[in-house]
Amino acid sequence: IAGITQAPTSQILAAGRRMTLRCTQDMRHNAMYWYRQDLGLGLRLIHYSNTAGTTGKGEVPDGYSVSRANTDDFPLTLASAVPSQTSVYFCASSVSSGGNEQFFGPGTRLTVL
Amino acid sequence: GQNIDQPTEMTATEGAIVQINCTYQTSGFNGLFWYQQHAGEAPTFLSYNVLDGLEEKGRFSSFLSRSKGYSYLLLKELQMKDSASYLCAVEDSNYQLIWGAGTKLIIKP
Repeated sequence: IAGITQAPTSQILAAGRRMTLRCTQDMRHNAMYWYRQDLGLGLRLIHYSNTAGTTGKGEVPDGYSVSRANTDDFPLTLASAVPSQTSVYFCASSVSSGGNEQFFGPGTRLTVL
Repeated sequence: GQNIDQPTEMTATEGAIVQINCTYQTSGFNGLFWYQQHAGEAPTFLSYNVLDGLEEKGRFSSFLSRSKGYSYLLLKELQMKDSASYLCAVEDSNYQLIWGAGTKLIIKP
């Protein structure tokens, strides 16, 4: 693979179910991010990781959790999905945090019913 | 609070020039990014400004005035493929990006 990938591409999920969105990059980037994008709103940061083994909360972290066990992978978990989590989710990475271009994955379109 | 303002939508003609403005109020400032996002796709990087002034890159230029909390993206010689949303994002004091809602640019022949 080259760049950053996400899986699944899209998903329809029943409310209350647990779901993990996967994100993998092969650029050896230190920093990784999860955003959600909703119509009429800007991208909003959910969680981030400046380096493997560390994570931090963004603007809208409630209902989501992340882990960063290694450099390449940064999964996002919805413990108990709710309809307000219906959105397009983008994973991104950058060489490091601060002043660096972020490269985005293709996105996951999630619908919670 | 943190706020990034951009026009919701703009229309321009193929071959013309268009300027997309962005004003911001954020807790700290470490730089300003512009990204392009075609419908149904991921954002892609266009430019980064950290100092005042104009940065030129081919048909695209980006300007920054930190004292005014203002930036613009200038697109010259517009092509149909430039139809997309243009996202302004400010890197705040925590090195996190605060994003505007984006400007949808419609190019007409």
